[in-house]
Amino acid sequence: ETGVTQTPRHLVMGMTNKKSLKCEQHLGHNAMYWYKQSAKKPLELMFVYSLEERVENNSVPSRFSPECPNSSHLFLHLHTLQPEDSALYLCASSQDWGVKGEQYFGPGTRLTVT
Amino acid sequence: LAKTTQPISMDSYEGQEVNITCSHNNIATNDYITWYQQFPSQGPRFIIQGYKTKVTNEVASLFIPADRKSSTLSLPRVSLSDTAVYYCLVGDDNAGNMLTFGGGTRLMVKP
Repeated sequence: ETGVTQTPRHLVMGMTNKKSLKCEQHLGHNAMYWYKQSAKKPLELMFVYSLEERVENNSVPSRFSPECPNSSHLFLHLHTLQPEDSALYLCASSQDWGVKGEQYFGPGTRLTVT
Repeated sequence: LAKTTQPISMDSYEGQEVNITCSHNNIATNDYITWYQQFPSQGPRFIIQGYKTKVTNEVASLFIPADRKSSTLSLPRVSLSDTAVYYCLVGDDNAGNMLTFGGGTRLMVKP
């Protein structure tokens, strides 16, 4: 596979469940990102990892917990979510951390919290 | 972070040239201007990036006037498949300054 892949593509979970979203990039990039896109709202940057270290945390609730075990993989662990957390969760990567250059996005995970 | 303002929506017809203008009055000296395209239920896709004057690639052109307070994405001869949301972003490459997506411009290309 090439590019940025995300699994699962769709996820339905109850508020008491624990689940994880997975992102994998096959581009040899050093930076990875999690974004949230709610219906009719702009993309919101959640977390940034550069060389496996978290470098940005935009005041995201603790029920979202990121993990970056290596430069190719990024996880978003979810627990005790709320219905308003239902959204499209997008993973992206770039060669290096910063705005210059291109971010490559995955197809996203459509999350529904019931 | 520089804030961007762009039209909420635009309509066009196949074969026409489409110009989407973005205002960024507070752009800083080191800021780059980047445009992304997003189709429904997909991640955004990089279109073009520039700093000043004009940048052209196989997909689009980006025009940036001397004062850099605005920029115009130009899509030549659009097709139905260009129907998407287009985002204008500004930011610099310094640590801690990340891309901030605004509302974007929803382009509808009609036959």
